[in-house]
Amino acid sequence: GAGVSQSPRYKVAKRGQDVALRCDPISGHVSLFWYQQALGQGPEFLTYFQNEAQLDKSGLPSDRFFAERPEGSVSTLKIQRTQQEDSAVYLCASRGQNIQYFGAGTRLSVL
Amino acid sequence: DAKTTQPNSMESNEEEPVHLPCNHSTISGTDYIHWYRQLPSQGPEYVIHGLTSNVNNRMASLAIAEDRKSSTLILHRATLRDAAVYYCILRDPGSARQLTFGSGTQLTVLP
Repeated sequence: GAGVSQSPRYKVAKRGQDVALRCDPISGHVSLFWYQQALGQGPEFLTYFQNEAQLDKSGLPSDRFFAERPEGSVSTLKIQRTQQEDSAVYLCASRGQNIQYFGAGTRLSVL
Repeated sequence: DAKTTQPNSMESNEEEPVHLPCNHSTISGTDYIHWYRQLPSQGPEYVIHGLTSNVNNRMASLAIAEDRKSSTLILHRATLRDAAVYYCILRDPGSARQLTFGSGTQLTVLP
């Protein structure tokens, strides 16, 4: 498995629940990105890491969204007190040689 | 960010060439032109990128207009597996780390 791996692939949450989405980037990739994709739309940037440092979190829609990458490899996107508008596909990408490699995403449905 | 304009949808017959257009009249001199595609239920996948000269790789060709205000992604022989949303994206590596996706072009390949 040399690609970007995301888990779970599907997550159903009740409104108000906290969720955690995991991303395993390609080994050795310093840069890691999270995107949110609403149905029928293109992906939208959420946040960016360089190693363990979160250098840009300008796309996070609210303070309920939190991302971390404590050892500069695996990253977790956490959403607290989920709302229906959080329903989307969450994509992770790592970058090597100016190319972003995306995982298959986690489809989050908030009921 | 400079914007791109793409047709919402295109159709092609299997085993015929496909030309996917992209207009970017406000492109700056340091913007690279990237193409990614997204197959159903998958994350985006890198296709090709270039700055000024035409580019070829095993997946496609990228033809860039002399004034760089437009470009065309060329799939030489479309297959059913090429049915996807194709995104044309401008990125200045000196100022933007993330990709800014538009709505893309939905390519349908007819058997």
